[in-house]
Amino acid sequence: QVQLVQSGAEVKKPGASVKVSCKASGYSFSSYDINWVRQATGQGLEWMGRVNPNSGNTVYAQKFRGRVTITRDTSTTTASMEMSSLKSEDTAIYYCATSGAAGYSQHWGQGTQVTVSS
Amino acid sequence: DIVMTQSPVSLAVSLGERATINCKSSQSVLSSSNNKNYLAWYQQKPGHPPKLLIYWASTRDYGVPDRFSGSGSGTDFTLSISSLQAEDVALYYCQQYYSTPKTFGQGTKVEIK
Repeated sequence: QVQLVQSGAEVKKPGASVKVSCKASGYSFSSYDINWVRQATGQGLEWMGRVNPNSGNTVYAQKFRGRVTITRDTSTTTASMEMSSLKSEDTAIYYCATSGAAGYSQHWGQGTQVTVSS
Repeated sequence: DIVMTQSPVSLAVSLGERATINCKSSQSVLSSSNNKNYLAWYQQKPGHPPKLLIYWASTRDYGVPDRFSGSGSGTDFTLSISSLQAEDVALYYCQQYYSTPKTFGQGTKVEIK
């Protein structure tokens, strides 16, 4: 079965960077894009961007362009999301999720809590 | 960006009664090339990631009970739960995947009355 297993919780200081990983298994890694979605405490879902595992091509929401980098490693079937210049407002749970050619997200990781605090 | 607006923000429904959630997009998410609405619904319970319920506005994902149904086209969509069960207490989100960024509605909280 499709599984996305994310890395553990992170605590960072303002201005630092964080990298969250998402290990995919149970399917052909090249079959689905990997999306990143975040959710601040008590807030809604915010789509950040996605990577195509075949080409490595990425698409980002305007809000995150220049501060977020999404990559993939086909040898380890892992996608990663790195965010720089962290602010307290970036405190959130970060999810990875697959999407096929259509674009909806059928499979989700368990989420990674990122806390930004001085 | 396409703005997704859900209503109501929260609703309380008696067990066994119908719950209805609305979602409106700021522009059409109906594709003229394949006549499909690029609209999905997700359910999220506390401490868990979202779970896909419905895609193409009205197609239930595998294993989703048939009390969940989606309808609508263009810019106006509805998620209905025909007979609310205790396990349906959750947040519900619509999402358009017609264009990037793939925006979500702000969510609707469903509770038991």
